[in-house]
Amino acid sequence: LAKTTQPISMDSYEGQEVNITCSHNNIATNDYITWYQQFPSQGPRFIIQGYKTKVTNEVASLFIPADRKSSTLSLPRVSLSDTAVYYCLVGDPVYGGATNKLIFGTGTLLAVQP
Amino acid sequence: ETGVTQTPRHLVMGMTNKKSLKCEQHLGHNAMYWYKQSAKKPLELMFVYNFKEQTENNSVPSRFSPECPNSSHLFLHLHTLQPEDSALYLCASSQDSNTGTTSYEQYFGPGTRLTVT
Repeated sequence: LAKTTQPISMDSYEGQEVNITCSHNNIATNDYITWYQQFPSQGPRFIIQGYKTKVTNEVASLFIPADRKSSTLSLPRVSLSDTAVYYCLVGDPVYGGATNKLIFGTGTLLAVQP
Repeated sequence: ETGVTQTPRHLVMGMTNKKSLKCEQHLGHNAMYWYKQSAKKPLELMFVYNFKEQTENNSVPSRFSPECPNSSHLFLHLHTLQPEDSALYLCASSQDSNTGTTSYEQYFGPGTRLTVT
């Protein structure tokens, strides 16, 4: 069963750039890589999604190497309010079909300090 | 209302009770999901509905019974639960593109915090 791997936690300071990497060895050909943010006692919130190379939006950037076996979420100039758990999400080709099994990573707890 | 709503937000029930969780999405999506999130564990996918048809049942015990009467509403019926079923239950929705590319841009509700006593 494929799974994703992320660091359990990361520390940062306000104003710094933070990079969180996720490993996903069995990503499916047609699948996208998606990152979510979750605050305590709330549902996850979609941050960014990409298929290959680099994607950027108003919140973050996503870097994906050519083999797509990993991805890096980059948060520019973090603030205290960015303290949350960050999950990466990819499809699992083991199950195939139009709806691949959805597997969230273990999540990375980002703690931003003043 | 907009987005994905869930009721109730908090629920305490005994092991012999029967209760239901409700989810409603106002986004016009065609897929809905139930997830379970226990303390310090990753989200666990429980059920998936595409176009009101259940396409995924992730080996969930039969004491959890989903129902999807239409593409906007999703229920999770609970009966004879165990204390280890206490968790945050999250509903989500998405729009499947059917173009061969699976998009996992899902929109989550706030969750129901369930405590089984």
